[in-house]
Amino acid sequence: QKEVEQDPGPLSVPEGAIVSLNCTYSNSAFQYFMWYRQYSRKGPELLMYTYSSGNKEDGRFTAQVDKSSKYISLFIRDSQPSDSATYLCAMIGYWGSQGNLIFGKGTKLSVKP
Amino acid sequence: SQTIHQWPATLVQPVGSPLSLECTVEGTSNPNLYWYRQAAGRGLQLLFYSVGIGQISSEVPQNLSASRPQDRQFILSSKKLLLSDSGFYLCAWSVLGLEYFGPGTRLTVL
Repeated sequence: QKEVEQDPGPLSVPEGAIVSLNCTYSNSAFQYFMWYRQYSRKGPELLMYTYSSGNKEDGRFTAQVDKSSKYISLFIRDSQPSDSATYLCAMIGYWGSQGNLIFGKGTKLSVKP
Repeated sequence: SQTIHQWPATLVQPVGSPLSLECTVEGTSNPNLYWYRQAAGRGLQLLFYSVGIGQISSEVPQNLSASRPQDRQFILSSKKLLLSDSGFYLCAWSVLGLEYFGPGTRLTVL
């Protein structure tokens, strides 16, 4: 079983839709969870990060972590064409780890005007 | 604020030629530095990471190597490129776990 699973999509939605992007993981030691957005031919940019379980909101974006189910989500409200990108989840056990983040493979999202 | 630079942005090289990709970080000291490769449909593959000058950990055995001659400089090299080395190469830095990526270098080996 891979450490982090993420549906690659592609996911296509109309403008204004609510988008739900998800990852599952197997390592219960993960405590910090991140979402990155990557536009075509660009480097990934950090969108949001959360610690342990719960929700975190930033504008139209909400990150949700359910550690009991080993499941994380990113919700995008009122989606815009500019949200069209690949979204990668990432996670790590604790701050200061000398290793790196464990990434999902990314979900490609297309928001149609 | 911190900034990460990579160059070149695009590179086309023949099989068997050498490679040198450079990454520099501004605005932070003693960062962890990383080289990733991203191939279509395969996600981010960690190649090397470094916690300090001259300290390199290799994650994937291959014909690539990395060096960190200065605190904020990370170099990815190869003596002889293979077709399979084509991909999007990303440098990243981190402090306390969060990783921040550079703009990437798209390498095509012909």
